[in-house]
Amino acid sequence: DAGITQSPRHKVTETGTPVTLRCHQTENHRYMYWYRQDPGHGLRLIHYSYGVKDTDKGEVSDGYSVSRSKTEDFLLTLESATSSQTSVYFCAISKGETGGRNYGYTFGSGTRLTVV
Amino acid sequence: DQQVKQNSPSLSVQEGRISILNCDYTNSMFDYFLWYKKYPAEGPTFLISISSIKDKNEDGRFTVFLNKSAKHLSLHIVPSQPGDSAVYFCAMLAGGTSYGKLTFGQGTILTVHP
Repeated sequence: DAGITQSPRHKVTETGTPVTLRCHQTENHRYMYWYRQDPGHGLRLIHYSYGVKDTDKGEVSDGYSVSRSKTEDFLLTLESATSSQTSVYFCAISKGETGGRNYGYTFGSGTRLTVV
Repeated sequence: DQQVKQNSPSLSVQEGRISILNCDYTNSMFDYFLWYKKYPAEGPTFLISISSIKDKNEDGRFTVFLNKSAKHLSLHIVPSQPGDSAVYFCAMLAGGTSYGKLTFGQGTILTVHP
């Protein structure tokens, strides 16, 4: 289908434990993003990557880290999970801009994370 | 400070009528605007977009309008169908070196009744 998969789809974890979410793409797109979706807040950017080993923070990056060692994989780690990180997490990919225009995103199906 | 606001959390419309979803923004650097649709348990999917050099873009039943002076974006769906029931997000891109980062609104839940 869209060439982007997220794993796991659902996870329940305990407060204080580390958690890693995986995003895998087969589109060879340069840009990858992690967003979280919460009621009343829409989608908020956590971290993004503009190439292998090139990452930067988004607007809600506290408590999260990312890594991108290969073009196809972008990992999001919650270093010590808290209840406020209970959310639905979406990965997105983009080929950026060509000819001066942006192509928008293709999203994964999401990971529903519950921290208890 | 929310740069993009969708002030209506929900909208209910009768099948066959027009649905109008609205979005306001404050950042004058935004120059590309998109709408995404999201069904439950799925990721958002791209619907339609518009560049700041235009004020209208149509794609079938969907039309997006941009009023730059008012910093207002709207999506019209005519005629509305029950399958259009979903959450709609507006999203915006700032010009320059933005790495394609989109800023999203809070979303509007559209319900189309048969």
